[in-house]
Amino acid sequence: SYVLTQPPSVSVAPGKTAKITCGDSNIGSRSVHWYQQKPGQAPTLLIFYDSDRPSGIPERFSGSNSGNTATLTISRVEVGDEADYYCQVWDSSSEHRVFGGGTKLTVL
Amino acid sequence: EVQLLQSGGDLVQPGGSLRLSCAASGFSFDNYAMNWVRQAPGKGLEWVAAVSGSEDRTYYADSVKGRFTVSRDSSKNTIHLHMNSLSAEDTAVYYCAKDSGPWGSNYLDYWGQGALVTVSS
Repeated sequence: SYVLTQPPSVSVAPGKTAKITCGDSNIGSRSVHWYQQKPGQAPTLLIFYDSDRPSGIPERFSGSNSGNTATLTISRVEVGDEADYYCQVWDSSSEHRVFGGGTKLTVL
Repeated sequence: EVQLLQSGGDLVQPGGSLRLSCAASGFSFDNYAMNWVRQAPGKGLEWVAAVSGSEDRTYYADSVKGRFTVSRDSSKNTIHLHMNSLSAEDTAVYYCAKDSGPWGSNYLDYWGQGALVTVSS
């Protein structure tokens, strides 16, 4: 089955930049979406179609996708950004949605 | 305003059955696919099933195919997830999520509040 690889955890100091990766062979040919899940809450959409932001999402959150890696970048990280982050793609061969394993962002 | 209100989570014995529901409002229900995504305790998100918009085609993860059935009731703007032959591995919070389109490489733009399903004797 299709697998998206994310680092289990990323740590960053407040005010710095965090990068969370999502890897798979030729993921650059797919559309990647990102979700944020804070403790005890449902996930929310963060980035769609690689780099688009829904209304209300700060510009500090950005996305890119090329080659074998998609990247979520969080600039000027705040304590409130502590959460789990998931990437997601659509596998056209199986017509299944696939999530990455998730990355826990810790703000030191 | 889009709202997804879930119901039906419960404690069920192994081998048992359960039905989850998700009542939608605030958008043209028939034009969008609807998904079920689950999260086992302390684990990540796992896509479970979906029903497409307009054609009502259904799709299932391998882990639930043959045991779970997703259905859409357009008269009530509601989707259901019928779960049979439940095992401890199905214990999770189940979320319904609206698709951004009828099906395909879309994203999940709105999520329900979640419903806890616990499979235990």
